[in-house]
Amino acid sequence: DTEVTQTPKHLVMGMTNKKSLKCEQHMGHRAMYWYKQKAKKPPELMFVYSYEKLSINESVPSRFSPECPNSSLLNLHLHALQPEDSALYLCASSQQGGVQETQYFGPGTRLLVL
Amino acid sequence: AQSVTQLDSQVPVFEEAPVELRCNYSSSVSVYLFWYVQYPNQGLQLLLKYLSGSTLVKGINGFEAEFNKSQTSFHLRKPSVHISDTAEYFCAVSNSYDKVIFGPGTSLSVIP
Repeated sequence: DTEVTQTPKHLVMGMTNKKSLKCEQHMGHRAMYWYKQKAKKPPELMFVYSYEKLSINESVPSRFSPECPNSSLLNLHLHALQPEDSALYLCASSQQGGVQETQYFGPGTRLLVL
Repeated sequence: AQSVTQLDSQVPVFEEAPVELRCNYSSSVSVYLFWYVQYPNQGLQLLLKYLSGSTLVKGINGFEAEFNKSQTSFHLRKPSVHISDTAEYFCAVSNSYDKVIFGPGTSLSVIP
């Protein structure tokens, strides 16, 4: 099983809402990633969790709050977002977080902030 | 610091014709190189990667790439494309000291 699942597939939220994105993998991977991808652009790394600890935060605004409850799950909590935060949010995982490892991506959550 | 350049933002090609997608990188240390593909409304999927060893790397779906250290390039090739190869292709680079950096992407359109 090389699948990374993400829910929901689509999300529309207002600037005062609180919502969460979920990501799950059952490949036994110990590193999980959140990326933000704008249309016609490459993915931009937001956060990396390695062995359930936050190892990289790419200076992401605090309105995005990641959480890794266990080695299979990764959440991204959203609060007071701005319209410019509208994008495709991709989750990925890899074996241990090494830079030479293949990252396995989920299909993404397409977020629209009104 | 490392960086990745994909000079061709869009590449149209007729079905069954060969294609080459260009990727150049800059890095002061030894690199790891990747090509990922993103089909419409999907996440990214690894096509192939170079870590060390043979400079010719074969990947999935008939793609291959050649690592050229002197030209700092990692161009992706396929001898005969299919309609199903229409997608966005991202070259990516990492090294022992830095995370994976994705290039801007090349949109491949296969014309029937």
